[in-house]
Amino acid sequence: GQQLNQSPQSMFIQEGEDVSMNCTSSSIFNTWLWYKQDPGEGPVLLIALYKAGELTSNGRLTAQFGITRKDSFLNISASIPSDVGIYFCAGQVGNQFYFGTGTSLTVIP
Amino acid sequence: GAGVSQSPSNKVTEKGKDVELRCDPISGHTALYWYRQSLGQGLEFLIYFQGNSAPDKSGLPSDRFSAERTGGSVSTLTIQRTQQEDSAVYLCASSLEVYQPQHFGDGTRLSIL
Repeated sequence: GQQLNQSPQSMFIQEGEDVSMNCTSSSIFNTWLWYKQDPGEGPVLLIALYKAGELTSNGRLTAQFGITRKDSFLNISASIPSDVGIYFCAGQVGNQFYFGTGTSLTVIP
Repeated sequence: GAGVSQSPSNKVTEKGKDVELRCDPISGHTALYWYRQSLGQGLEFLIYFQGNSAPDKSGLPSDRFSAERTGGSVSTLTIQRTQQEDSAVYLCASSLEVYQPQHFGDGTRLSIL
């Protein structure tokens, strides 16, 4: 099925640094979601965005629904070791959900 | 329980055998989804249920794959005559309604020898 273009594929950052990742699509979506997956576990929902231009925060995480409805970004401020994992974006239109290919984040203490 | 529950958590079987994977969604969630995740890869959509009905089965990789949901709750994903390429983590998710955010289980790790 369709997959979203997520970048970067992987990131290696120093603890305390800010992180930014994004997701783009050629299609318009009604909802954007961001998930985090730890090894051996299922993805956990971090943030859900429902309106173009919406900016939503969840602790140190901030995500935005792009004005064009074709993109979204996720920022993590002041990274800590437990931020390590794979972050997936997902877009929803109608009854269909499409997932990004994931961004693998490594935080170096 | 409060979350999506999947069983078994791990399954090792010989090539050619049939396997059945189970998903118990969050109580009250009408929509249920199955995904496949290969090592280090993203999520491959397989099938979703709205109630007991699966409107679109085109995501199933082959006719060896089937899924059913009864009573609007538990779902089973069955793989017949397993092949080595079926080895993956099979994730189940549920949502209150089809257009609402999905909540995932921890998956079943399937290994075909």
